[in-house]
Amino acid sequence: AQSVSQHNHHVILSEAASLELGCNYSYGGTVNLFWYVQYPGQHLQLLLKYFSGDPLVKGIKGFEAEFIKSKFSFNLRKPSVQWSDTAEYFCAVNAVSSGSARQLTFGSGTQLTVLP
Amino acid sequence: KAGVTQTPRYLIKTRGQQVTLSCSPISGHRSVSWYQQTPGQGLQFLFEYFSETQRNKGNFPGRFSGRQFSNSRSEMNVSTLELGDSALYLCASSLGTSSTGELFFGEGSRLTVL
Repeated sequence: AQSVSQHNHHVILSEAASLELGCNYSYGGTVNLFWYVQYPGQHLQLLLKYFSGDPLVKGIKGFEAEFIKSKFSFNLRKPSVQWSDTAEYFCAVNAVSSGSARQLTFGSGTQLTVLP
Repeated sequence: KAGVTQTPRYLIKTRGQQVTLSCSPISGHRSVSWYQQTPGQGLQFLFEYFSETQRNKGNFPGRFSGRQFSNSRSEMNVSTLELGDSALYLCASSLGTSSTGELFFGEGSRLTVL
């Protein structure tokens, strides 16, 4: 079964610091990869996604993520965080098997707090 | 365009009772997925419906059930509630199946079991 690990449960950064949130998944085949974000008091929304092609994908608000197949990783990065980036970030994966993809599996989330 | 609507937003039940939660997807979306969100556990997949058929089911006991109607609206039911069922229940809709595109989430139904 597919699973997703986010090892950082809570990250605290100062504004302008660089961000990297780790995401690892366990599935040996083809995967679709996602990062979702939940701002305080708001619903979950898609930050970026990777299906195929260039393993470096860019999302909204200056976020990007790199898919490294050999490491089963899809880490989220931002060169300079802002106070408004304070939110909970979820990595999600679905496995593609026999041409059909399974349900989206989420990691446990990483709470990012950016200090002004 | 209206987003995903979940009702009720908050509810309190006692152990042994049952509860029904409702989800209205974005107009035109045919897939509805349900997730249970608890602190430290992230989102645990419950089930997904597409065109009234259950497409996938997570590892939850049979007390958790769901259905989807012809207008794509969905309900989930939890019977014989336990304290551990206290959580935020999220519904998400998508145009195709959840695996092919972006999920649009509702604000959730927060269930407290006393």
